[in-house]
Amino acid sequence: AQRVTQPEKLLSVFKGAPVELKCNYSYSGSPELFWYVQYSRQRLQLLLRHISRESIKGFTADLNKGETSFHLKKPFAQEEDSAMYYCALSGSIWAGSYQLTFGKGTKLSVIP
Amino acid sequence: DTGVSQDPRHKITKRGQNVTFRCDPISEHNRLYWYRQTLGQGPEFLTYFQNEAQLEKSRLLSDRFSAERPKGSFSTLEIQRTEQGDSAMYLCASSPTSATEAFFGQGTRLTVV
Repeated sequence: AQRVTQPEKLLSVFKGAPVELKCNYSYSGSPELFWYVQYSRQRLQLLLRHISRESIKGFTADLNKGETSFHLKKPFAQEEDSAMYYCALSGSIWAGSYQLTFGKGTKLSVIP
Repeated sequence: DTGVSQDPRHKITKRGQNVTFRCDPISEHNRLYWYRQTLGQGPEFLTYFQNEAQLEKSRLLSDRFSAERPKGSFSTLEIQRTEQGDSAMYLCASSPTSATEAFFGQGTRLTVV
C-alpha cells in the first residue's frame, strides 16, 4: 500500500528564515513525488515534481530513496509562501498507476 | 478561466437526497479524476477515467456513488441516499495522457444536514 506522511500539521516561521516541510512516503516501487500548494481561496496547484529537479518560487525538493523522503525546502521564507502544502505520490506510469496519494498537509504560516 | 471547472461550488442537501456534481476538465485532457477531501485530510482518490472508460475505483466509492464520463469530456459524480458522512469537498482533476501531474478544479463543497 502506498502512504504519504507529513508529520507537521502547522509550521510557523519568520520571514527570511529557512523553511523545511517534511514528507516521508511508503511505496514498493519507483514512485513519482509531487508537492502541491493551496493558497487561501485558490485551487490546489502543482508546485513541483521530483523528476523535473527544478526550483519553483525558490522551493526545491530532493527525493531521498534511502530515507524515503521528499522534503520541501526554501532558504528564505516570504509572506506570500503562507499556504497549505501537500506532498503527493503517484505510482510509476509504467505500472499503469495514475492516482495520487496525498499526505494530510502542512499549513505554513510566515510571520512578518 | 480555462482550467478545470466544477459545478456547483456549494451544495447543501438533506440526508437521504440524491446529489449530482459536474466536472468539465481542461480541453484535450484524456484523464479525469475524482477525489474527496474532508477536514484536516488531504484529498483521497475516488475514481479515474481514461476518456470515457472508468479504469480505477477506490474502495471509498461505495455503491451509493456513481461516476460517468459519457463522451469522454465532462464527468458527473452522483451520490444517492446521502449520509452525513458524505459531507466533504469533492475535487475533480484532469491530466493529459503524457503526464502524471493533475490539474485540479475549485471543488464542490457538499454539506449533508
